[in-house]
Amino acid sequence: GENVEQHPSTLSVQEGDSAVIKCTYSDSASNYFPWYKQELGKRPQLIIDIRSNVGEKKDQRIAVTLNKTAKHFSLHITETQPEDSAVYFCAATGTYKYIFGTGTRLKVLA
Amino acid sequence: DAGITQSPRHKVTETGTPVTLRCHQTENHRYMYWYRQDPGHGLRLIHYSYGVKDTDKGEVSDGYSVSRSKTEDFLLTLESATSSQTSVYFCAISEDRTYGYTFGSGTRLTVV
Repeated sequence: GENVEQHPSTLSVQEGDSAVIKCTYSDSASNYFPWYKQELGKRPQLIIDIRSNVGEKKDQRIAVTLNKTAKHFSLHITETQPEDSAVYFCAATGTYKYIFGTGTRLKVLA
Repeated sequence: DAGITQSPRHKVTETGTPVTLRCHQTENHRYMYWYRQDPGHGLRLIHYSYGVKDTDKGEVSDGYSVSRSKTEDFLLTLESATSSQTSVYFCAISEDRTYGYTFGSGTRLTVV
């Protein structure tokens, strides 16, 4: 069935360093790949997304890359700051709905 | 706030009672979703709707039913609440399945 694997489950980085979170999807028909950030006690919020006809997208300190051949996509956060600490979820489109990854808890250490 | 509201925000209920959670949107989006979030499980889809009166099951639909009689409202009913349904429930809306979701603020449900 449709599946999205996300790694790592937890990630600690020093403030100012980069963080990378990787996801692999199984449905070759998936064509939309969003990333959500969820701060403690809050709702998930869309931070960046990419469509299958694009290989990379950037928005200030965050970027997403997509490798359709290998069926994986990654979130890159540069110059991490304490406010980047949160849980990040990737997702890939399936039939009518997303398939979410299980989340990565990012801790940025001051 | 972002055109989507959930009610109630918090609820404590007893085992065996029916419970209805409401999701209301003002964005006129076609797609609406109910997720539950539990530690270690991420976001799991309960039910979703792709139009008025058009609904389907997600991966954890047992013990839940939904209704969508109007574009703006999507109701989630726990037919007979159990302790395993203690969770945070999020509603989400989307213009299309290949667009970003906007999530509601969530409902924290405790079944005692």
